[in-house]
Amino acid sequence: NAGVMQNPRHLVRRRGQEARLRCSPMKGHSHVYWYRQLPEEGLKFMVYLQKENIIDESGMPKERFSAEFPKEGPSILRIQQVVRGDSAAYFCASSPSSPNTIYFGEGSWLTVV
Amino acid sequence: DQQVKQNSPSLSVQEGRISILNCDYTNSMFDYFLWYKKYPAEGPTFLISISSIKDKNEDGRFTVFLNKSAKHLSLHIVPSQPGDSAVYFCAASTGNQFYFGTGTSLTVIP
Repeated sequence: NAGVMQNPRHLVRRRGQEARLRCSPMKGHSHVYWYRQLPEEGLKFMVYLQKENIIDESGMPKERFSAEFPKEGPSILRIQQVVRGDSAAYFCASSPSSPNTIYFGEGSWLTVV
Repeated sequence: DQQVKQNSPSLSVQEGRISILNCDYTNSMFDYFLWYKKYPAEGPTFLISISSIKDKNEDGRFTVFLNKSAKHLSLHIVPSQPGDSAVYFCAASTGNQFYFGTGTSLTVIP
């Protein structure tokens, strides 16, 4: 019974490059959440998606960041033209169709050099 | 605007004693509350939750208390063990949205 799978676990990008983070939810879960944790800070909500739909992206920066959860395949968080301030841990979580608990993956650590 | 607050960044407790972690929230529409435990370089792990219709939920050494009038919840760990040393996040939910506090780092001293 696999949990939430995130990859890559660690990603290093140079400033200006693109970063793609992938998340496969738990089996049977149709809701995906992305959170970001900056150094010495808490978990900040970024976006909430269901299959093929963005439900709430109020926490996403207006530029350079996008997310999708296609009908087939993992959810992807895409960061274009990365800057040093994007260096953080990015956590994906999933929940079933009637969520009252969300379950997190192990996280993806992005380092921008 | 931080809707869920954990005002104590850190807490140290002797092994075998009780650990009490506190959390305050501002939105009276929250109807479900959760606690997560996080080790360094790992994802948060769900620990325990409570619905707004209850004031207490217990699971082994972990008990969560909810005081709706004060908009306050707490997590009690007793007896505390060195393996409990981690960062603890409280979260509150309304529908499909989950809001997290900034975390409290618990150190259990052997």
